[in-house]
Amino acid sequence: AQKITQTQPGMFVQEKEAVTLDCTYDTSDPSYGLFWYKQPSSGEMIFLIYQGSYDQQNATEGRYSLNFQKARKSANLVISASQLGDSAMYFCAMREVNYGGSQGNLIFGKGTKLSVKP
Amino acid sequence: DSGVTQTPKHLITATGQRVTLRCSPRSGDLSVYWYQQSLDQGLQFLIQYYNGEERAKGNILERFSAQQFPDLHSELNLSSLELGDSALYFCASSTRTGSGTGELFFGEGSRLTVL
Repeated sequence: AQKITQTQPGMFVQEKEAVTLDCTYDTSDPSYGLFWYKQPSSGEMIFLIYQGSYDQQNATEGRYSLNFQKARKSANLVISASQLGDSAMYFCAMREVNYGGSQGNLIFGKGTKLSVKP
Repeated sequence: DSGVTQTPKHLITATGQRVTLRCSPRSGDLSVYWYQQSLDQGLQFLIQYYNGEERAKGNILERFSAQQFPDLHSELNLSSLELGDSALYFCASSTRTGSGTGELFFGEGSRLTVL
């Protein structure tokens, strides 16, 4: 069975500094997708970044980058130049098997609560 | 705005009661997913529908049921409610495979409180 592990329940970072949120995964499928979502205190789930298992390069989206180490089965999220608005819960997720044209559901880790200090 | 609409946003009810949560996916999305997020917990996958058919099932209790209608909106029915069912229930939708990264687009959630 697929599994996502986030070992950091909470983290603090100083404003304008970079921070790395850890995520490890377990799957026996050669093809998979990894996602990061942000959940602010208001509750909505915001998609940040995606990494496919066959992607040759690490994904980047603005201040977000994904440090993908396939052999280690890790997909850490790096946020550069942290802002106060980055304070939120961050969830790592893996997509289960696609079936018959539909995207598979996502399995989520327990999340990391990031607090950005001014 | 993700384009996914969930109603109601808040719901307070008593133990033993039954409620229905409604979800309208983004225009053109055929898949609907339901997730439960209890206090300080991650998201637990409940069930997925694709074009009206059940596609995947997670840890959904027998007291819970869902369906997707021909117009693609979906409903999650929760019955014989218990205190532990209090949670934020998310609906999400996605495109077909081969289209984009396949991320899920989430609604704002329905917060259920069982007293």
